[in-house]
Amino acid sequence: DTAVSQTPKYLVTQMGNDKSIKCEQNLGHDTMYWYKQDSKKFLKIMFSYNNKELIINETVPNRFSPKSPDKAHLNLHINSLELGDSAVYFCASSRDLSYEQYFGPGTRLTVT
Amino acid sequence: GENVEQHPSTLSVQEGDSAVIKCTYSDSASNYFPWYKQELGKGPQLIIDIRSNVGEKKDQRIAVTLNKTAKHFSLHITETQPEDSAVYFCAPGEGMNTGFQKLVFGTGTRLLVSP
Repeated sequence: DTAVSQTPKYLVTQMGNDKSIKCEQNLGHDTMYWYKQDSKKFLKIMFSYNNKELIINETVPNRFSPKSPDKAHLNLHINSLELGDSAVYFCASSRDLSYEQYFGPGTRLTVT
Repeated sequence: GENVEQHPSTLSVQEGDSAVIKCTYSDSASNYFPWYKQELGKGPQLIIDIRSNVGEKKDQRIAVTLNKTAKHFSLHITETQPEDSAVYFCAPGEGMNTGFQKLVFGTGTRLLVSP
């Protein structure tokens, strides 16, 4: 009965590889987000989709590509992984852009 | 863009004491002011929020006060308990041209409540 779920929880990979993180919410929300939290705990928004439409796209390298197959899912694909991509990535959802955001448990990505 | 500062960065209190965390922001169009709590190994969780037409909101031991003129809002926790130990983030909304608010997270405050 988890509200926002992410897979995998941990991801260890080598530089140059391509990887994906999946997110699903069962709250019936229209808006979903991807956030990145670095080792100093800074939490910064990367993308947001509202009704499957991209509405926030922060200054993120083109190697990062979000995909929303439907309102309940928002996946994050990362090409050519770099050491600096190591972080915890959080998915979140909200009823709309100006409402409470519910966060998933996070995916800890380690690039070696 | 929104410039958010949060103070203090760490706060240690004894159980039963009160704790106050302050957040300053720069965007005069901000109208949504939430506080999130992040426990170790978990995602942030909303604990209280306030909108700009209200100056104060209270929920049991937690309260948020807003001063829009001075562009700051504060989190107040009374009768602290060890389970309050966590990292707390303010996340004022930044006004977008669509009319919505994008959250900009502060740098976080690590609260440690000692028994």
